[in-house]
Amino acid sequence: KQEVTQIPAALSVPEGENLVLNCSFTDSAIYNLQWFRQDPGKGLTSLLLIQSSQREQTSGRLNASLDKSSGRSTLYIAASQPGDSATYLCAEGGTGRRALTFGSGTRLQVQP
Amino acid sequence: AAGVIQSPRHLIKEKRETATLKCYPIPRHDTVYWYQQGPGQDPQFLISFYEKMQSDKGSIPDRFSAQQFSDYHSELNMSSLELGDSALYFCASSLDDGQETQYFGPGTRLLVL
Repeated sequence: KQEVTQIPAALSVPEGENLVLNCSFTDSAIYNLQWFRQDPGKGLTSLLLIQSSQREQTSGRLNASLDKSSGRSTLYIAASQPGDSATYLCAEGGTGRRALTFGSGTRLQVQP
Repeated sequence: AAGVIQSPRHLIKEKRETATLKCYPIPRHDTVYWYQQGPGQDPQFLISFYEKMQSDKGSIPDRFSAQQFSDYHSELNMSSLELGDSALYFCASSLDDGQETQYFGPGTRLLVL
């Protein structure tokens, strides 16, 4: 059974800092990996999706990488802003329209 | 661009009552997923449908049932509600295009009193 872990559980940084969020998974036979953002009490916004055949994906100040052999993915946020404050969740997708398995998230606070 | 629509957005019920949550996927999407997110928890998969047939089943209680209709919208029926059913319920949809990115709706917040 796939297990997804995110470290750290919470992170507080000053505005402008570059930061890395970590996601690890136990079964390397993944189909894809998605990163989501969730604001308190709100829905899930998909940020980036990396297929198992890809190494990284970029969108604006965000860059996500995937290393299947080590069972790790990272989300890099450049030049952080207070508006980036949210919980970031990674989720692993199995093959064939299978459900996502979520990590417990990293709660990010960017101080102005 | 059209997104996943969920209704109602908020719902308050008493214990032992029933509730029905609705999900309207993105047009042309053929797969619908239901997730439950308890307070302070990560989303947990309940059930999914592909082309109106149940595709996968997760930790859905026997008191819950769901279906996908001919217009691809889905309904999650919850009976004999318990306090522990209070949670945010998400619906997601995807297209069978090889990527199968799941797009999430805004969620229905259910409070059981």
